[in-house]
Amino acid sequence: NAGVTQTPKFRVLKTGQSMTLLCAQDMNHEYMYWYRQDPGMGLRLIHYSVGEGTTAKGEVPDGYNVSRLKKQNFLLGLESAAPSQTSVYFCASSPTGINYEQYFGPGTRLTVT
Amino acid sequence: KNEVEQSPQNLTAQEGEFITINCSYSVGISALHWLQQHPGGGIVSLFMLSSGKKKHGRLIATINIQEKHSSLHITASHPRDSAVYICAVAWSNDMRFGAGTRLTVKP
Repeated sequence: NAGVTQTPKFRVLKTGQSMTLLCAQDMNHEYMYWYRQDPGMGLRLIHYSVGEGTTAKGEVPDGYNVSRLKKQNFLLGLESAAPSQTSVYFCASSPTGINYEQYFGPGTRLTVT
Repeated sequence: KNEVEQSPQNLTAQEGEFITINCSYSVGISALHWLQQHPGGGIVSLFMLSSGKKKHGRLIATINIQEKHSSLHITASHPRDSAVYICAVAWSNDMRFGAGTRLTVKP
């Protein structure tokens, strides 16, 4: 089992460009999450999904969109990247809800210039 | 105001020492998580607590719901324990994280 994988691992974007980060899990988990991690601020929840076809906003959703068309995949989109979105992005999954252990992907380091 | 406060921010210990990392929170929660972030960046879940105490190997986590406080203890610390330890609190479908405690264990 690969667990949780993220694509790409690194990316540099210019301001205004768009991109999609892909998260995939092979554990048949219902819940999936996107977080960002910034120095000194800790992890913050961007969006989450409680099952295929569902998405919901987290603490810092502005500037991001998500989709969960298949149970194993959770996509995070940046329609018009801004320097403030420079961060490390982590995806995670859990079997059921927020009260259960989460399994994290390796992270994607995104720089917006 | 941050809902989750960790202390200390940085901690240096000698191999073999007993380590305590503290986490205080200000909201009602359904669960508290302790995570470990390795120097390479990977994040691993250590514990999920809703009450009492849990132990896994040399790691012990406790929570006092009334005092809104949790501690992570490491017994007989080892250089391989060097990492950032992160506390996170969960309620409904929301989750808030502390800024982390950077632990360095010297041989």
